[in-house]
Amino acid sequence: QKEVEQNSGPLSVPEGAIASLNCTYSDRGSQSFFWYRQYSGKSPELIMFIYSNGDKEDGRFTAQLNKASQYVSLLIRDSQPSDSATYLCAVNPLSGGSNYKLTFGKGTLLTVNP
Amino acid sequence: DVKVTQSSRYLVKRTGEKVFLECVQDMDHENMFWYRQDPGLGLRLIYFSYDVKMKEKGDIPEGYSVSREKKERFSLILESASTNQTSMYLCASTGQAYEQYFGPGTRLTVT
Repeated sequence: QKEVEQNSGPLSVPEGAIASLNCTYSDRGSQSFFWYRQYSGKSPELIMFIYSNGDKEDGRFTAQLNKASQYVSLLIRDSQPSDSATYLCAVNPLSGGSNYKLTFGKGTLLTVNP
Repeated sequence: DVKVTQSSRYLVKRTGEKVFLECVQDMDHENMFWYRQDPGLGLRLIYFSYDVKMKEKGDIPEGYSVSREKKERFSLILESASTNQTSMYLCASTGQAYEQYFGPGTRLTVT
């Protein structure tokens, strides 16, 4: 059973701080990793994805991947109250013949306090 | 921009009714998915389709069926709605990097 684990939170940070969201996955063969943001009552929205070990930056967001530790994280710099949402981690295992399916974590609720 | 649309944002149906949820994507994506999302349970895959008329069961297919007659359209059917199918239903399609793009969701209430 391929699993993706996230701390459910809530993670509370003050405005302007760095929010760090973490995700671990069980399938060592996983190849690509995705972060989604989901506001309450809305659908998930893709933030960014990463394939290679290391960091990938997109504006205030940085995804970090460590395949050896089976760990992926999302850093949000200069957090804003509008970043308050649930963040979903998703993993594409690229194994088992269904390489287009994603396994989602249950999400971490982030609250940014003004 | 990728656009995935769903036929209804909110739907209220009675127990035993047949319910159709429709999803359309405009990016010529081959793979499309139906999920339901419930508090504390996360996203659960109901069915997916990797080509026209091709489908595979996801993790929770019981009580549901799907139809994909055209590449851009993927329908979810609740043959006989039950109260335990009250949920948020999300459709998604897959881009070239296997990233999924979601529609706005349909919040279905079965009474």
